[in-house]
Amino acid sequence: GALVYQYPRRTICKSGTSMRMECQAVGFQATSVAWYRQSPQKTFELIALSTVNSAIKYEQNFTQEKFPISHPNLSFSSMTVLNAYLEDRGLYLCGARGGQGILRLYFGEGSRLIVV
Amino acid sequence: GDQVKQSPSALSLQEGTNSALRCNFSIATTTVQWFLQNPRGSLMNLFYLVPGTKENGRLKSTFNSKESYSTLHIRDAQLEDSGTYFCAAEEDNYQLIWGSGTKLIIKP
Repeated sequence: GALVYQYPRRTICKSGTSMRMECQAVGFQATSVAWYRQSPQKTFELIALSTVNSAIKYEQNFTQEKFPISHPNLSFSSMTVLNAYLEDRGLYLCGARGGQGILRLYFGEGSRLIVV
Repeated sequence: GDQVKQSPSALSLQEGTNSALRCNFSIATTTVQWFLQNPRGSLMNLFYLVPGTKENGRLKSTFNSKESYSTLHIRDAQLEDSGTYFCAAEEDNYQLIWGSGTKLIIKP
């Protein structure tokens, strides 16, 4: 079956340092990968959408300079939170969708960022 | 506003009982997803629905697009069902509108 793995599951980083998280699609080709964040208040936001062979599209309030994303192939994507501060805390989710009419968005379990 | 209204916000169930969670939508959506965020914070995919019904073990979910709601039924609740359940409607491509969650506690 189709699965999405995210790692690390949890990171504690010092304020001002960076954290990289990875997203691996298994069992399908992830032509599109969307990154989301769940805040400590439990609300969810879309950060950016990455589609193979297209430019990465960032939502308002999120930038490539702060959240650079790499999507080098159809099974892998990574996102880095640069210079993390308290407001970057939360659960970062990767949702991946295959091409060829596969509509379902498969989510990983999330990578939790704790900033101290 | 509440484009995806989820109810109840919290629920406490005795082990072995049944219950239903609901999401009402005030946006046009063609797909709904249900997730369980366990007490450790990990998110688990439960269902991805187009209009219709799906069943998986003790869980059953229905999405009625004409009446703009979705339900998640839990049968014979177990302790491991505890956590926060979220529904999410896909409004635009990848732009998910999430419900505010139902915190479910299963008591032995």
